[in-house]
Amino acid sequence: LAKTTQPISMDSYEGQEVNITCSHNNIATNDYITWYQQFPSQGPRFIIQGYKTKVTNEVASLFIPADRKSSTLSLPRVSLSDTAVYYCLVGAINTGTASKLTFGTGTRLQVTL
Amino acid sequence: DTEVTQTPKHLVMGMTNKKSLKCEQHMGHRAMYWYKQKAKKPPELMFVYSYEKLSINESVPSRFSPECPNSSLLNLHLHALQPEDSALYLCASSQDGQMGRGKGNTEAFFGQGTRLTVV
Repeated sequence: LAKTTQPISMDSYEGQEVNITCSHNNIATNDYITWYQQFPSQGPRFIIQGYKTKVTNEVASLFIPADRKSSTLSLPRVSLSDTAVYYCLVGAINTGTASKLTFGTGTRLQVTL
Repeated sequence: DTEVTQTPKHLVMGMTNKKSLKCEQHMGHRAMYWYKQKAKKPPELMFVYSYEKLSINESVPSRFSPECPNSSLLNLHLHALQPEDSALYLCASSQDGQMGRGKGNTEAFFGQGTRLTVV
């Protein structure tokens, strides 16, 4: 499994764009990159997933360079309610066995006024 | 229905008690997971079930005993726990790799967790 490295914490003001980068130098060909958000005392919630280039949904964008050794989660115009821990996961799909979803240390994002 | 339901939400148990945590999903997912999460730490994988069979056990002590009675239910039986086992226990499910029938998806849906306190 590819190991991931993220900043431990980040601070932002409300209304700013936040970019959280994740390093995964030994990502395998079959691996996808998935980001989860977790609020205190709740289960993680899926944000976005991608394989290469750029993926965008209603809450975030995910940028993946050609070498796929890193990825950047972009949260546009954050609000106080985006204060949470963000996890980057890298794993294979369609392996024929259950995916071993292993969480890294995560990035604690604090948004203030 | 994209929900994973865990019961109970809170549980306090003594070190000699036997209790069970329950998890239920009706999304047709065939992979189900148990995680343990201590305060300010990431979730740690404990067990993975694939098609109702235990496929991954992350060297979890035998005082934790998982059970998957059918494709919608996942239990975690607890016996003779220690205070250090106090944590948030999370259940998750995913539409696993479809055994060669097409691409799987590592998007997992998590329950709200059971806050376990061992006294």
